[in-house]
Amino acid sequence: DSGVTQTPKHLITATGQRVTLRCSPRSGDLSVYWYQQSLDQGLQFLIQYYNGEERAKGNILERFSAQQFPDLHSELNLSSLELGDSALYFCASSVEFGRASTDTQYFGPGTRLTVL
Amino acid sequence: GESVGLHLPTLSVQEGDNSIINCAYSNSASDYFIWYKQESGKGPQFIIDIRSNMDKRQGQRVTVLLNKTVKHLSLQIAATQPGDSAVYFCAESLNSGYSTLTFGKGTMLLVSP
Repeated sequence: DSGVTQTPKHLITATGQRVTLRCSPRSGDLSVYWYQQSLDQGLQFLIQYYNGEERAKGNILERFSAQQFPDLHSELNLSSLELGDSALYFCASSVEFGRASTDTQYFGPGTRLTVL
Repeated sequence: GESVGLHLPTLSVQEGDNSIINCAYSNSASDYFIWYKQESGKGPQFIIDIRSNMDKRQGQRVTVLLNKTVKHLSLQIAATQPGDSAVYFCAESLNSGYSTLTFGKGTMLLVSP
């Protein structure tokens, strides 16, 4: 158990809908990262928040947005869903920037999103 | 559990053998590298990391080798066990303020008893 929690574990929805994925980081971690894992694209970085502020952006679609709240939990909002958005969505957290053995990124168990 | 990929390179070994998983990274400016293990139905788990000022780093039963000349990273697992069966990803990063991890495609390791 990494200490990072994600809800829900599974989500099934229809095209055009909007969903919200939730992540609670490990206690004491200030950074939260969102990743998308699909069969054809592997593990893709979407976005990072550090202490409530957006810090880095990856291949995140304009239909997707995220935020980190004062209690440091984060939500990833996916709207106007398409079939191709079906994937595993992982949240990770680290103390700061996740680039040291003492500050590595810990991943949650993921949310499986299925868009029908 | 969840499948992470249907077309991953696969390494099949016998229990007790040593395993070597290879990774070619893309950015010659990357200076921080990590190996992650992902078991079925779980998120990636940190195994070992290395900075570009080193060419070898050892952990418990694992060794990472870095060859910056050819942009190659390898993970050696000694005395492989069935519990080592998983998908292994290398990731690279620049040690700068806004750099994030870029993951490779992954290699599936299958360990037979």
